[in-house]
Amino acid sequence: GQNIDQPTEMTATEGAIVQINCTYQTSGFNGLFWYQQHAGEAPTFLSYNVLDGLEEKGRFSSFLSRSKGYSYLLLKELQMKDSASYLCAVRDSDYKLSFGAGTTVTVRA
Amino acid sequence: IAGITQAPTSQILAAGRRMTLRCTQDMRHNAMYWYRQDLGLGLRLIHYSNTAGTTGKGEVPDGYSVSRANTDDFPLTLASAVPSQTSVYFCASSDGSGANVLTFGAGSRLTVL
Repeated sequence: GQNIDQPTEMTATEGAIVQINCTYQTSGFNGLFWYQQHAGEAPTFLSYNVLDGLEEKGRFSSFLSRSKGYSYLLLKELQMKDSASYLCAVRDSDYKLSFGAGTTVTVRA
Repeated sequence: IAGITQAPTSQILAAGRRMTLRCTQDMRHNAMYWYRQDLGLGLRLIHYSNTAGTTGKGEVPDGYSVSRANTDDFPLTLASAVPSQTSVYFCASSDGSGANVLTFGAGSRLTVL
């Protein structure tokens, strides 16, 4: 099974940078995902890492270290619309996805 | 509109009643999933189906059943609802290629009294 930990809440100022950490313990690792979920809406895919290193996609970047069981999602140039929950998810060797409880990011003006 | 349709959007149900949440996708994805989302616990997998005709149990399957008669439909049934099944239910699908990204439906909010 999976044990996925991420902070419950983070607050940052518009234009700033926020880093959301995720640590995991897994019996079989086959990729790590980040999803964004606005209040009352469905989760939407942000990023995917399966190899160690940094994946950059516009203002969002995701990093993975498999040996440390660690990932982070970096949000740059924060905008008000980035206020949402960010879900870290780990896929196991059976291709099933397990989610962390999510980190609620609040962007203040 | 391509995607996943869930119904109902919201439902209040008396304990002991039977309830089926419907999920239909038009993307011809092979794999489909049902998750429940509860405050502080995140999304938890209830049941999944890797292809039509097959189903499997997830992390929290008790009290729920699913069927996958065809590629498009994946209904979730609560045979006798209990208050602990009050939750938001999300159906998702994936095409199984590359990163195998999940696409989620808009969710069904169920309240069991």
